[in-house]
Amino acid sequence: DTEVTQTPKHLVMGMTNKKSLKCEQHMGHRAMYWYKQKAKKPPELMFVYSYEKLSINESVPSRFSPECPNSSLLNLHLHALQPEDSALYLCASSLGQGGIQPQHFGDGTRLSIL
Amino acid sequence: QQQVKQSPQSLIVQKGGISIINCAYENTAFDYFPWYQQFPGKGPALLIAIRPDVSEKKEGRFTISFNKSAKQFSLHIMDSQPGDSATYFCAAIYSGGYQKVTFGIGTKLQVIP
Repeated sequence: DTEVTQTPKHLVMGMTNKKSLKCEQHMGHRAMYWYKQKAKKPPELMFVYSYEKLSINESVPSRFSPECPNSSLLNLHLHALQPEDSALYLCASSLGQGGIQPQHFGDGTRLSIL
Repeated sequence: QQQVKQSPQSLIVQKGGISIINCAYENTAFDYFPWYQQFPGKGPALLIAIRPDVSEKKEGRFTISFNKSAKQFSLHIMDSQPGDSATYFCAAIYSGGYQKVTFGIGTKLQVIP
């Protein structure tokens, strides 16, 4: 079992829907990440939160909106997505953002856009 | 621009054999090199990692060999088992940056009985 928990595991939504992905960790990590992974490709970084503040946005379209309510939770709000946004969305966390801090991944949310 | 080149993209090994996956990097600022193992329907899991001041690191059946001058590193899986069948990603991190993990393209390993 992974220590980073993501819900839901699967999500199907239409292009006009609004939904949210959730991520939770209780390892005391202060850096949290969102990645997007297409089939047979490596994960691509989307956002980095450090101490609950957004520190990196890898030029992600505004239809993806991250939120970090507290040090254990990370959300990704979705609105007006496109079919090409269908992918596995992975959350990860690490002890901090500086130095050598291995990232621990959740099992992801499989998102399908109709 | 692919900063970490990984090969092969797919690999079939017989049970008990040695699986070898190679990676090469370009940015000499990278100073941490993890390997991730990903099973279908799961997230990547950290398998083993090495720093460039070490030439080899072994954990059980998994060994990383690191050649700093050639900017290459490789993963060896000894006595490969069907349960090792997964996709393996090499990666590189610059610890002075914001922890962005630069992944290789991935290698799909299949261990056949």
